[in-house]
Amino acid sequence: EPEVTQTPSHQVTQMGQEVILRCVPISNHLYFYWYRQILGQKVEFLVSFYNNEISEKSEIFDDQFSVERPDGSNFTLKIRSTKLEDSAMYFCASSEPPFNEQYFGPGTRLTVT
Amino acid sequence: GQSLEQPSEVTAVEGAIVQINCTYQTSGFYGLSWYQQHDGGAPTFLSYNALDGLEETGRFSSFLSRSDSYGYLLLQELQMKDSASYFCAVREGGNAGKSTFGDGTTLTVKP
Repeated sequence: EPEVTQTPSHQVTQMGQEVILRCVPISNHLYFYWYRQILGQKVEFLVSFYNNEISEKSEIFDDQFSVERPDGSNFTLKIRSTKLEDSAMYFCASSEPPFNEQYFGPGTRLTVT
Repeated sequence: GQSLEQPSEVTAVEGAIVQINCTYQTSGFYGLSWYQQHDGGAPTFLSYNALDGLEETGRFSSFLSRSDSYGYLLLQELQMKDSASYFCAVREGGNAGKSTFGDGTTLTVKP
């Protein structure tokens, strides 16, 4: 069964450093998403992406964040200058029409020290 | 403001039926989804309701009343493996619209 994959599974970085989280969505899916989940808390929407541009973004997704689909398979989330409060699990998801079901990847645990 | 409310914890025994309620107040509404998440795992899609009524998928059913801004997830014939967190989520926009998740309900199934 096709699945969303994410790398790395765990990333440790120092405050102020840039990180890039990578995702490979399911191949025939058209819409891509990033979510984050701080330990013990709810899942929070960051951004959705379609046709090589952002469709919607939340208040969390400020100028420190960016997304890119550099080729036909990868979807990346970049955090330019990490803060301690960016420590969380970051989930990538993808969906196909009718867009009701989102398939989540296993997540990348980001730890900012 | 935008908010979803669901109980924080529910406990039930194997074989029982449990209902997890969700009320929402959001700026837009396209549909209500339910996701299951085991500890340390990714959310897994369970169901989606865009219209009023009941949707059944095996042991799981989901209900929506848009006029009441209310929905629920019904889990029947509970099994130990159903112990997990369950999140309701409102899709607020169109095809790639923002989804707002509730805080989650931790379901514990006891033998």
